[in-house]
Amino acid sequence: DVVMTQTPLSLPISLGDQASFSCRSSQSLLHSNGNTYLAWYLQKSGLSPQILIYRISNRFSGVPDRFSGSGSGTDFTLKISRVEPEDLGVYYCLQHTHLPNTFGAGTKLELK
Amino acid sequence: EVQLQESGPGLVKPSQSLSLTCSVTGYSITSNYWGWIRKFPGNKMEWMGYISYSGSTSYNPSLKSRISITRDTSKNQFFLQLNSVTTEDTATYYCARYYYDGYYRDWGQGVMVTVSS
Repeated sequence: DVVMTQTPLSLPISLGDQASFSCRSSQSLLHSNGNTYLAWYLQKSGLSPQILIYRISNRFSGVPDRFSGSGSGTDFTLKISRVEPEDLGVYYCLQHTHLPNTFGAGTKLELK
Repeated sequence: EVQLQESGPGLVKPSQSLSLTCSVTGYSITSNYWGWIRKFPGNKMEWMGYISYSGSTSYNPSLKSRISITRDTSKNQFFLQLNSVTTEDTATYYCARYYYDGYYRDWGQGVMVTVSS
């Protein structure tokens, strides 16, 4: 299985600051069709996960442009330019390139 | 609007089977892929498997032969059965729609299942 390593596990932050999340995979997520199926999800407290970013850098409909994704191969990053209160929760990366699909351990974004 | 709703018992005894239903409205399960994902106490998430638009399935090998995902297209529902459960299967179970562009787009609200005698 592809191991997804997310860091940090906890990210204490002040509102308005930039947040950066890292996700590394144990093997390349480049699919034979040329796409890289790495997605980012946010799970807010008490709610289901919601898609933020798919295929490394594509923002899902309605996701604010303060969210951005980047990376390639085995190394990926999600950034929030200025954290707002509704951004708090646990962020997961999930690779859809290989079966079984695998999640990172999650990064909890919380207030300092 | 696509909506998914999980249902099933919240308490299952060890060694028994866990059976959950995902009822889908607003979209036919004969399109796309439909998955089951669970979240353990703490933050760990696990992809369990999916059933495709054609009825083919793929399962997480970690679940070995314990898992089965089936569907009833007439009711627009798909199902999860997990056999021989242990306390380690205690989790919140989500059903979700896998969108062709490579992500789970729509999720149910989740159902918490506790395995305990």
